This record gives sequence, structure tokens and C-alpha cells, in this order.
Amino acid sequence: NAGVTQTPKFRVLKTGQSMTLLCAQDMNHEYMYWYRQDPGMGLRLIHYSVGEGTTAKGEVPDGYNVSRLKKQNFLLGLESAAPSQTSVYFCASHGEGAQPQHFGDGTRLSIL
Amino acid sequence: AQRVTQPEKLLSVFKGAPVELKCNYSYSGSPELFWYVQYSRQRLQLLLRHISRESIKGFTADLNKGETSFHLKKPFAQEEDSAMYYCALRGTGGFKTIFGAGTRLFVKA
Repeated sequence: NAGVTQTPKFRVLKTGQSMTLLCAQDMNHEYMYWYRQDPGMGLRLIHYSVGEGTTAKGEVPDGYNVSRLKKQNFLLGLESAAPSQTSVYFCASHGEGAQPQHFGDGTRLSIL
Repeated sequence: AQRVTQPEKLLSVFKGAPVELKCNYSYSGSPELFWYVQYSRQRLQLLLRHISRESIKGFTADLNKGETSFHLKKPFAQEEDSAMYYCALRGTGGFKTIFGAGTRLFVKA
């Protein structure tokens, strides 16, 4: 049981480049989230999804887009990367009710 | 507005000493409170949640609605407890989870 899998684990981009981070979960969870983790700021919610085909903005959505075409996958896109988006990105999911979140290993993204 | 405050960025204690990681929250309704832990080179994982009222790895946390706190405690810290700890809040019946900034616990030998 893989749980939550994030791809890639590391990536270096140049300013202006685009890329997509993939999150896949095999637990049939409805709720999926993308966070960024920055020193001294904890985890901040970028976007989230409450089910297949739905997405919503979180706390820091600017510069990011997301899609949830399949229930098991939640994609995070950076259309034009900026140095301020250098961070560690975490995906999480959970099921219905008062269930805790399950996290992926994170993606370390550096933008030069 | 929902908010989770962890006042200490870094907490350093000696092995065998008691440890308390502070967490205060702001929420108008009945919250669900969690503690998550991230050990070195591992993913974030749930440590405990207030509705379970259980002790995990010797850690306990009591929800104090009067003081709006959910402090994490352990009577005798171990070196393997060194990690990053996040307090988190979710509104009852909701789904979005708000995280604190985290406290890095360092247990010295």
C-alpha cells in the first residue's frame, strides 16, 4: 500500500519555466490538498479538492493551478515559475469524517 | 478566523527531561485538534488527535477549551523524539486543516 506518492522528489527550474507536480493516492480518499512548507511559516494550503472534478483555492493560490480529473490524482501546476515559489511541496489526502491527513514525501523545488 | 499558534520555533531539552510543546488556537466553533510529527527524512505523520484521548510514544495532549490550547507533553524526552512537530486544527464537520508554524524539538544526550 503506497499511500500518497509525489512525483518528482526534486526539481530545479529556471525562472519562467513551467512544470507539473503529481500527487497520487491509492486509498480512495475524497479530499486532497497541496501545501507548501517554508521555514518559520509551517504548512500553507495552496489548493484543495473535495472530490473528483472539484478544486478550490487555499491560503496561497497565486501562481499555481490544479486539476483533479481522476479521484486518485491531484496535479499542481506552475505556469511561469518564480524564485518565490522555491519551497518544499506536500500533498495530503484523507477520507470522509474526522480522518487525519496522510502525507506524501514532499517535492523539493528550487527556482533559479 | 481560524489560527494555530506555536510560539516556540525551537525547543531544546536534555534526555530524560520533561517536554511541553505549546499550541494555542483561535476558532469560533468546536475544533478538532491534531499533532503531526516529521522525523528527519520522513514524511509528516499523525502523532495524536484530541478525540482519541490516547498516548502515543509517551506523548499526550489535552484540549483546554477555556485556554484554547492543545499542548503536547511528554514526561521523559528521548533522543528519538527529536523532530519537527506541527499542531493542526480542523473545524468539526469541516475538512480544511490549518497548521501552525511548527516547533523543532531537539533532545540532547
